[in-house]
Amino acid sequence: TQLLEQSPQFLSIQEGENLTVYCNSSSVFSSLQWYRQEPGEGPVLLVTVVTGGEVKKLKRLTFQFGDARKDSSLHITAAQPGDTGLYLCAGERTYKYIFGTGTRLKVLA
Amino acid sequence: NAGVTQTPKFQVLKTGQSMTLQCAQDMNHEYMSWYRQDPGMGLRLIHYSVGAGITDQGEVPNGYNVSRSTTEDFPLRLLSAAPSQTSVYFCASSWDRTTYEQYFGPGTRLTVT
Repeated sequence: TQLLEQSPQFLSIQEGENLTVYCNSSSVFSSLQWYRQEPGEGPVLLVTVVTGGEVKKLKRLTFQFGDARKDSSLHITAAQPGDTGLYLCAGERTYKYIFGTGTRLKVLA
Repeated sequence: NAGVTQTPKFQVLKTGQSMTLQCAQDMNHEYMSWYRQDPGMGLRLIHYSVGAGITDQGEVPNGYNVSRSTTEDFPLRLLSAAPSQTSVYFCASSWDRTTYEQYFGPGTRLTVT
């Protein structure tokens, strides 16, 4: 059972554009993480959000955890080709991590 | 620190064969886990361990066994491989649940014919 839905599944944009990726669930999570994965490699953690309503910034990336801790968003400002990759959200509840299906982002120069 | 290491990187098995995927970490992490990644499915949790001697099932445990005799190692055993187990397998570790930071290994690409 897939508890975390990510949208969009695919996104191809031009360099300099802004974008938002959504991660939605009907379940409450203790924390939510965002990862980026390159082809042939394991996911690499970008950020963890724990408190409902929490906003974290990592350079041009802004992450938000929903007030009810059921959803999250990732916003990228002025995307660059180096942002290309697979973005995954993962919710944690009692030692178990549930991953979303992923958003494959391609930023064209 | 080597981080999380996985062997082998690639493996081809015939249906019915058994094998063990190795995972080791040198960060003294208590929590370790195994995932499989299939196209369009994201990562799905197979088994996890919160410390040596303690393991539990994840979302898709059938056909897989694990054990955790040491803090460093967390092998995943396929008892009788099936084509449905063709996937990329990732091992991950973290200090414990409260740190929320999982570190992933490079993965093992397994094909079952």
